[in-house]
Amino acid sequence: DIVMTQTPLSLSVTPGQPASISCKSSQSLLHSDGKTYLYWYLQKPGQSPQLLIYEVSSRFSGVPDRFSGSGSGTDFTLKISRVEAEDVGVYYCMQAIHLPTFGQGTKLEIK
Amino acid sequence: EVQLVESGGGLVQPGGSLRLSCAASGFTFSSYEMNWVRQAPGKGLEWVSYISSSGSSIYYADSVKGRFTISRDNAKNSLYLQMNSLRAEDTAVYYCVSQRTPYSSGWGYWGQGTLVTVSS
Repeated sequence: DIVMTQTPLSLSVTPGQPASISCKSSQSLLHSDGKTYLYWYLQKPGQSPQLLIYEVSSRFSGVPDRFSGSGSGTDFTLKISRVEAEDVGVYYCMQAIHLPTFGQGTKLEIK
Repeated sequence: EVQLVESGGGLVQPGGSLRLSCAASGFTFSSYEMNWVRQAPGKGLEWVSYISSSGSSIYYADSVKGRFTISRDNAKNSLYLQMNSLRAEDTAVYYCVSQRTPYSSGWGYWGQGTLVTVSS
């Protein structure tokens, strides 16, 4: 199985400030088809997870442009340019180049 | 509007069985690959099983292989998960999850989840 490792596991951010979450995979997520199968999900308190970013850097429908994804190979980052109160929750990275696996999750709270 | 509504969860004894259902609406269900994902209380997300749009391709996590069976009925717009030989560690909220669009990657739509509790 591919192991996904997120850091940090928690972060506390002042509204309006940026936030960044790192995700590292134990194997390259670059497929022979040229796509990189790395995703970011957010699970808000009491809700089901929701897709934020697919294939490293593409925002899903309705996702604010303050969210951005980057990276390649085995190292990836989710950035929030200006954190808002509604961004609280647990962020998960996930790979799907092989059977899907998730990172441990990063809990974001507001200061 | 895409809707995925799970049902069938509940309390079951270790070794028992349960069948989860997921009713899909608002999209052409027969064109979408589907998955089950679970979340144990206070824990992270774990992929459980995948089924292709036609049902011809199926995969399972090692933790459930041989005990769980995924299936779908495209005529009824429904996804199922038959869970046998249940263990305490299968206790979780089970989510029905679809692709964001046909022939795409990324799970764009999630149900509200159904809680399965395995306990004596």
